[in-house]
Amino acid sequence: AQSVTQLDSQVPVFEEAPVELRCNYSSSVSVYLFWYVQYPNQGLQLLLKYLSGSTLVKGINGFEAEFNKSQTSFHLRKPSVHISDTAEYFCAVRGIAGGTSYGKLTFGQGTILTVHP
Amino acid sequence: AAGVIQSPRHLIKEKRETATLKCYPIPRHDTVYWYQQGPGQDPQFLISFYEKMQSDKGSIPDRFSAQQFSDYHSELNMSSLELGDSALYFCASSFGGGPKNEQFFGPGTRLTVL
Repeated sequence: AQSVTQLDSQVPVFEEAPVELRCNYSSSVSVYLFWYVQYPNQGLQLLLKYLSGSTLVKGINGFEAEFNKSQTSFHLRKPSVHISDTAEYFCAVRGIAGGTSYGKLTFGQGTILTVHP
Repeated sequence: AAGVIQSPRHLIKEKRETATLKCYPIPRHDTVYWYQQGPGQDPQFLISFYEKMQSDKGSIPDRFSAQQFSDYHSELNMSSLELGDSALYFCASSFGGGPKNEQFFGPGTRLTVL
């Protein structure tokens, strides 16, 4: 089984400031890691994913995340945010091994990022 | 590009009524996932289908059933609706059910039970 903890439920920042949204996970098997963004009244859109290889992954809209296996973390960062980045962000994991955890996503509780002018 | 289509987008039902939610995956996608997102909650996995067979089951109530049809669309049937069933229901599709295959999400169906 997997679980995901997003350490901040809300993060307010000013426009053009850097931001970090924190995510920790636990799992009995190896996992793939994802960040999704949800704009109001919309579905989930994939920002970036870590499957293997370089632990620093870059995604859309200038976001990047770093996988830290020893700390079981996958924090999302952006060096300079825009008003349009205001949304809710979800960290998610998928188990790699076979069995019932094969394909489904397990999500964190979400972090609401609010960018102020 | 074609996306995942869900219908209806909004649905209002009374307690104890029945609801059917439909999901049309991206063309050539063979796997469908259903998630439930309660107010202020994270999405919770309900059930998934790969090649028209149930592939995984999560926290789906016994009052709910689902299937995937020959054209790969899926329907989530919900009976004896309760107030607590009010939520946003997402469908996602992928090509192949493996963990590397990206899930593309639909816009969701917002179900309100009165």
